[in-house]
Amino acid sequence: GQNIDQPTEMTATEGAIVQINCTYQTSGFNGLFWYQQHAGEAPTFLSYNVLDGLEEKGRFSSFLSRSKGYSYLLLKELQMKDSASYLCAVNLSGGYNKLIFGAGTRLAVHP
Amino acid sequence: GAVVSQHPSWVICKSGTSVKIECRSLDFQATTMFWYRQFPKQSLMLMATSNEGSKATYEQGVEKDKFLINHASLTLSTLTVTSAHPEDSSFYICSARDGSVGTEAFFGQGTRLTVV
Repeated sequence: GQNIDQPTEMTATEGAIVQINCTYQTSGFNGLFWYQQHAGEAPTFLSYNVLDGLEEKGRFSSFLSRSKGYSYLLLKELQMKDSASYLCAVNLSGGYNKLIFGAGTRLAVHP
Repeated sequence: GAVVSQHPSWVICKSGTSVKIECRSLDFQATTMFWYRQFPKQSLMLMATSNEGSKATYEQGVEKDKFLINHASLTLSTLTVTSAHPEDSSFYICSARDGSVGTEAFFGQGTRLTVV
């Protein structure tokens, strides 16, 4: 089966840095995505990693280690609007390139 | 980025009736679309993969006779919840990709279904 694990909830302070971890065990791997989702809305794309290493995009960075089945999303200079759920998703190889999601991490940013 | 439009945004229906949800890719052709279901405070659970011109591929545990999927064209997929029951109340969301591996999935706005 497919297994993608993330912490359920995290809290952080405005202006701080937070790291959201994701571990996965899947039958096939063709990249890992991070999405942000506000309550009642569709997920929006944040990052994509297919090779090991760090991808930086403004205040957001994402890291991948394929050998460890591990990724993290790093959010810097946190803002109140960053309060949302962050979804880790694995692109399965073969077939239709299905995207399988972890349970998501609800991040609450406090003043 | 590419746009995926989902309609309706919300719907309330009576038990036993059927509800159709549409998912359209507005500015790209999507050979494959995906249908997800999301319960409150939970993640997206993949229900099925919708394939243009052929039968949908359902995930284990998803009743294909209850959740009918039709991918009529390269820009339209529909999900019909048949004989809806209160336990079918959920947030249904579709996604599509403009390309192959590595391209981000664009999501529709989602449909909040409430069965009373």
